[in-house]
Amino acid sequence: EVELLESGGGLIQPGGSLRLSCAASGFTFTNYPMSWVRQAPGKGLEWVSTISAGGINTYYGDSVKGRFTISRDNSRNTLYLQMNSLRAEDTARYFCARSIYTDDWYRGSYWGQGTLVTVSS
Amino acid sequence: QSALTQPASVSGSRGQSITISCTGTSSDVGPYNYVSWYQQHPGKAPKLMIYDVATRPSGVSNRFSGSKSGNTASLTISGLQADDEADYYCSSFRGSNTLVFGGGTKVTVL
Repeated sequence: EVELLESGGGLIQPGGSLRLSCAASGFTFTNYPMSWVRQAPGKGLEWVSTISAGGINTYYGDSVKGRFTISRDNSRNTLYLQMNSLRAEDTARYFCARSIYTDDWYRGSYWGQGTLVTVSS
Repeated sequence: QSALTQPASVSGSRGQSITISCTGTSSDVGPYNYVSWYQQHPGKAPKLMIYDVATRPSGVSNRFSGSKSGNTASLTISGLQADDEADYYCSSFRGSNTLVFGGGTKVTVL
């Protein structure tokens, strides 16, 4: 069974940095692209970033490009999201997601429960 | 990145069928058969219900079905049940390795 456990969320001041982690289990982590998707309080879903299985290719949504960095440690079965220059509009629950396919990452995903990030002074 | 367009809410009585639309453009829904649908109950993680426009993952009820015509995808829930009351989101590949979601639809079971 796919299990994804996010951590690292919390309250951070505008302009600050935070690193989220996602511990994966129940599948061969090194085979699958992984993504982060966020949901602002009471709002819809927004794709944030995706990383290929080997970690070579990374993709970002326009709203986080240049500020967020996705990475993975395949030896630790862990996905990361480094968030810099945080803004109030980055306040959201951040979900870790595993693609259903090992290649085409955009065809659907299984999700963790998320971790809440609040950017406020 | 503009979101896909979904109705804010759809309602139906138990046992009835409802359809949720997801309207995109010739850059996302139109040219790609990579539309997914997710169900989200309050406080829970989204659950994949449909992928590749019309494919159900193992374990998802066959009361859920998907389709697409032109730039609009649709999710139909037949035999509506109380537990179907939730928020539903569509997503689509948009090319250049980007993904876009719909704004979400709240389904109410009367």
